[in-house]
Amino acid sequence: QSALTQPASVSGSPGQSITISCTGTTSDVGGYNYVSWYQHHAGKAPKLMIYDVTNRPSGVSDRFSGSKSGNTASLTISGLQPEDEADYYCNSYRSSSTRWVFGGGTKVTVL
Amino acid sequence: QLQVQESGPGLVKPSETLSLSCTVSGGSINNNSYYWGWIRQPPGKGLEWIGSFYYSGSTYYNPSLKSRVTISVDVSRNQFSLKLTSVTAADTAVYSCAHHGPGGFHIWGQGTMVTVSS
Repeated sequence: QSALTQPASVSGSPGQSITISCTGTTSDVGGYNYVSWYQHHAGKAPKLMIYDVTNRPSGVSDRFSGSKSGNTASLTISGLQPEDEADYYCNSYRSSSTRWVFGGGTKVTVL
Repeated sequence: QLQVQESGPGLVKPSETLSLSCTVSGGSINNNSYYWGWIRQPPGKGLEWIGSFYYSGSTYYNPSLKSRVTISVDVSRNQFSLKLTSVTAADTAVYSCAHHGPGGFHIWGQGTMVTVSS
């Protein structure tokens, strides 16, 4: 099964906004409101940042927001901060035996 | 607060079976709704969903691993386990257990590194 498509890297200066895309198909991203985003610092457990496309878990900064249009979901980080530098992964529920699929990951660099 | 923690051998020989356990604390594996699952990340690569089971009994596996994977539950120990047979070097990865819904993996363990090598 193919992973969801994310850009390999995105960068921005402190204070700027960046957006990471996650492209799938009508069988996953486009077909369900079950997209989630994870922040992953090396050596630590991935951290859920967005679930069900737009929802933020308690404790996650409101600088992080999620959206979806058609088969593409997006994570926007506003007011970029040095601690936002990490790998970010999207995930979607899929209507097949695969059930859940991750994107390939995006490395966010704060310039 | 619900937590999960992986445990198991850090080194497995090629062609043998990888066995890991995930201990649930702060809640019952039998009383929490949604799913309990396994995810892995090979060195330098991205996250891969391995499989999950629903608290009521249904189990789901990644088709690319389905022939080699079994996820089972031990309610008395509040644990669930992963078995991956006939491992190769390609199975070397950090393996993590998680509690999740259909739209998000909310709670993750710290992960455990498993190396396949003779």
